[in-house]
Formats: sequence, C-alpha cells, structure tokens
Amino acid sequence: EPEVTQTPSHQVTQMGQEVILRCVPISNHLYFYWYRQILGQKVEFLVSFYNNEISEKSEIFDDQFSVERPDGSNFTLKIRSTKLEDSAMYFCASKTGEENTIYFGEGSWLTVV
Amino acid sequence: KQEVTQIPAALSVPEGENLVLNCSFTDSAIYNLQWFRQDPGKGLTSLLLIQSSQREQTSGRLNASLDKSSGRSTLYIAASQPGDSATYLCAARHYSGSARQLTFGSGTQLTVLP
Repeated sequence: EPEVTQTPSHQVTQMGQEVILRCVPISNHLYFYWYRQILGQKVEFLVSFYNNEISEKSEIFDDQFSVERPDGSNFTLKIRSTKLEDSAMYFCASKTGEENTIYFGEGSWLTVV
Repeated sequence: KQEVTQIPAALSVPEGENLVLNCSFTDSAIYNLQWFRQDPGKGLTSLLLIQSSQREQTSGRLNASLDKSSGRSTLYIAASQPGDSATYLCAARHYSGSARQLTFGSGTQLTVLP
C-alpha cells in the first residue's frame, strides 16, 4: 500500500542551526501538509501546499519556516535558526484531489539542544 | 475557532469488551471528521473518515458515528484486543479558505488488557 515517507526519522540539532525535513508524499496526491506535535500536546496544523504554492498556513508558520517542492516527488520543510521550542514530531501528510482521507507519514522527531 | 475535545483521556478495558471513544467539536460546520490511531512515537494511521453528510462509517470491528447538530462523534470498537492498545485521535476538517485544515483532539489512550 502506498505511503507517505519521511526522513530523517530523528534529528538532533543545535539551537540556531537550520534543519530540512524531507517527505515523499503518495505519488498521485495533489495536496501536501505539514503538521507538528510537541510532546504531550495536540497535533497542530502548520501549512498546506497545492499547485506549487502555499494555500494556507497557521500562525505557527512564521518567517522561520518555509516549504518547497523542489521536484515531482519531494516536499520539504525548512526551519531556519531553530529554537528549543521547535522540538517536536513533524508530520507530513498528503491527499488526492478527489478522496478526502488525509494520509500521514511516520513523522520526523526533531530535538533542538 | 474550532476546538476538538476527547473524553476520556485514558481508558483501560479487559480484552473482549466493546468500548466507545468520544469526540466533540465546537463548530458544527465541519466538512468531515477523521479518526486516527497513533502508536507510541509513531505516525498517524487513518482509521475512518465520515463526511458531514454521513451518519456513520464502518470498517471491520470499528464503527464511527457523527452527529453534527450536537457536535459529537463516537468511535465504537467491538470485541477489543490487546493489539488495539494505542492512542486514538479524532480530527475535524472544516471550511477554512481552500485548504480545510484538520483540527485535532488530544486523544484517548486506550489499553486493552489480556
């Protein structure tokens, strides 16, 4: 069964460093998302991406964050100048244009020290 | 702003018992509601999705219902098994611009005792 894949599964980074989290959405999907879950808290929406542009973003998704779809398969989340509070599990998700189910990846654990 | 609440936060049942997990949402103008399973440190596995026009959806031992007017959804698990132990999350997808983001509850941590 097709699945959303994410790399790395876990990354530890120094505060102030830049991080890129990578995702390969399901191949025929058109809508792409990033969500995050701080330990012990709810899963929160960050950003959605469609037709090569951001379609919606939350207040969390400030200038520190950016997304890109550099080719036909990858979808990346870049976090510039990481802060301790950026430590979380980051989930990539995708969906088709017709079906409403959103499929999530296994997540990337980011620990900022 | 949509708020999604799940009660109880944790539930422990003996194997074989039928159980119901509850989800409530404040804004009834939802597009759909999706139930997920999350194992510790893992991703979110979609279980069931109910469109706003539907009342319930079934998959195997799982049945999810939706009552928009009261702002509630339930996930019914029949004949529970130890392998069902996980955190169950509900997420309401509402009309917000063109993206229809998901708003998640905090989950119910289910433990099924053998």
